[in-house]
Amino acid sequence: DQQVKQNSPSLSVQEGRISILNCDYTNSMFDYFLWYKKYPAEGPTFLISISSIKDKNEDGRFTVFLNKSAKHLSLHIVPSQPGDSAVYFCAATSNYGGSQGNLIFGKGTKLSVKP
Amino acid sequence: DAGITQSPRHKVTETGTPVTLRCHQTENHRYMYWYRQDPGHGLRLIHYSYGVKDTDKGEVSDGYSVSRSKTEDFLLTLESATSSQTSVYFCAISTGIRPYSSSGNTIYFGEGSWLTVV
Repeated sequence: DQQVKQNSPSLSVQEGRISILNCDYTNSMFDYFLWYKKYPAEGPTFLISISSIKDKNEDGRFTVFLNKSAKHLSLHIVPSQPGDSAVYFCAATSNYGGSQGNLIFGKGTKLSVKP
Repeated sequence: DAGITQSPRHKVTETGTPVTLRCHQTENHRYMYWYRQDPGHGLRLIHYSYGVKDTDKGEVSDGYSVSRSKTEDFLLTLESATSSQTSVYFCAISTGIRPYSSSGNTIYFGEGSWLTVV
């Protein structure tokens, strides 16, 4: 029973264009969402996060959108660069329910940005 | 990198042997975590700690135990390694006084420990 779903295992985008990575969740108790980027042979690196009280958070080329009614979030990268090629993980958590707010991860989307 | 060091970084061991992975942090964060990453599964929580000698189970805790006798060290032990425990193991810390609350409270990961059980 996957609570966080990234339905696209891979995505290929041309350099300079927009990359859109999608994530769906099923647990309505989730109130904080994070995106991580992971290069091969390295640990995941925090990218951007959003609280459920917001519907958008922006940091440079990266913007995360949250649609609570649809239980959907997306990460936009504009413009995409070859160095953005990595696996992107969506994660969610809740500060309620006694779970100590542990992160629940999706399976990841591998982004390839072509020069 | 939030001062997280994992050791060993790579290990090959035989089925049935005990294995201990160490996570060391230099910034006295309260919350520490062990995750494993496998193809097709993303990252899954094994155990976590919310203080010295305070630990609890995560999603995939069977076959694993943990200990935290000092704030800076969180040990993950495979009592009797099996081939299904071949994986990449990541330690993580939370920078906040609560595990996750709002912006500014972030989880940082170590560089990983590659374990192969043959």
